[in-house]
Amino acid sequence: DAKTTQPNSMESNEEEPVHLPCNHSTISGTDYIHWYRQLPSQGPEYVIHGLTSNVNNRMASLAIAEDRKSSTLILHRATLRDAAVYYCILRVPSNNDMRFGAGTRLTVKP
Amino acid sequence: DVKVTQSSRYLVKRTGEKVFLECVQDMDHENMFWYRQDPGLGLRLIYFSYDVKMKEKGDIPEGYSVSREKKERFSLILESASTNQTSMYLCASSHIYEQYFGPGTRLTVT
Repeated sequence: DAKTTQPNSMESNEEEPVHLPCNHSTISGTDYIHWYRQLPSQGPEYVIHGLTSNVNNRMASLAIAEDRKSSTLILHRATLRDAAVYYCILRVPSNNDMRFGAGTRLTVKP
Repeated sequence: DVKVTQSSRYLVKRTGEKVFLECVQDMDHENMFWYRQDPGLGLRLIYFSYDVKMKEKGDIPEGYSVSREKKERFSLILESASTNQTSMYLCASSHIYEQYFGPGTRLTVT
């Protein structure tokens, strides 16, 4: 299975943009890139996903490198409620199981 | 809203006991998953199921079994609980790609 690599932790200031990187150099041509986040004392929640093109939704933007070996989750204006562990995951389209890594713990400072 | 419920938020069991963790989803999802989460290790997939009476091993199935007799219910069974199974257990369900998680069960085996 293709793996992802993320920094263990990142810090951001409130109301500033945050760029969370993810490396997936062994990604195959059909793997989807998914991002989830886990707020304290809760189960993970879906954030965004993409295949080749950049994606935007109400929560975040996903920028995917042209060679697809890396991607970046962008929070345009971090709030204190965005403090969470963010997981970058690759999903094989032929099945629906996903492998979560350790993720990046984002701290947002007021 | 999709709802995934787990039978207990906190559970304390003794070594050697048989433990049942129940998960119920109300959105008629075909796919259901059991993960465990430990500090520094992220979420690890134990078992998943694509349909009633079907099951697939995840990354760490040893010491666990599962049961899916009805579409909405997916049970995780610890045949003989051990202290190294002390963990947070998370259940999820999905239709296509977005997984919806329950609140988790924190199991302590003494």
